[in-house]
Amino acid sequence: GAVVSQHPSWVICKSGTSVKIECRSLDFQATTMFWYRQFPKQSLMLMATSNEGSKATYEQGVEKDKFLINHASLTLSTLTVTSAHPEDSSFYICSARDATSGRKNEQYFGPGTRLTVT
Amino acid sequence: AQSVTQLDSHVSVSEGTPVLLRCNYSSSYSPSLFWYVQHPNKGLQLLLKYTSAATLVKGINGFEAEFKKSETSFHLTKPSAHMSDAAEYFCVVSRDRDDKIIFGKGTRLHILP
Repeated sequence: GAVVSQHPSWVICKSGTSVKIECRSLDFQATTMFWYRQFPKQSLMLMATSNEGSKATYEQGVEKDKFLINHASLTLSTLTVTSAHPEDSSFYICSARDATSGRKNEQYFGPGTRLTVT
Repeated sequence: AQSVTQLDSHVSVSEGTPVLLRCNYSSSYSPSLFWYVQHPNKGLQLLLKYTSAATLVKGINGFEAEFKKSETSFHLTKPSAHMSDAAEYFCVVSRDRDDKIIFGKGTRLHILP
């Protein structure tokens, strides 16, 4: 149980275009999902918290107009990287919290999406 | 503010020997602490977690960690390393104000044949 998927797993796009990444909780409902960014050989940095039915909250320094987050249902959150530039190339990882679980600080992670902007 | 410090960026051990991955934390009150493992091109998997119950926490794949408040440490150990243990390991602490989690910088574990 507690499986989180991401799509696509790998994407290449041209500079200036937008890319959408999907994060789905497959066997549980997630009122809260999180988006992280991981640079090569570095740790995960929390970008934003996605709340079902409300606006995402962004960590300090993260441009909300560049990284658009939508959490339209209890099983799906999307991250759209708008007007992508080469410096946006990174590994993007989502996680989800089980809404029915009492273990409120336990997160289940997706496999990640590698974005390369050329 | 909460933080975790993983004391080694790389650790190499021979197969069959013990593993020790070190983590120190900083938190204003009793934290929740986790260890995650990340295999290449795969998602993160929870190894174990401490949430103020037993100080010695047993996880999956033979890993365990001991919470030591006096030393503010949460080191990860395994008695006998296996080749499949080669991966990146992250020590994680929950953030006091909102239960979000903060990752350490990671320790790459290498297993020598």
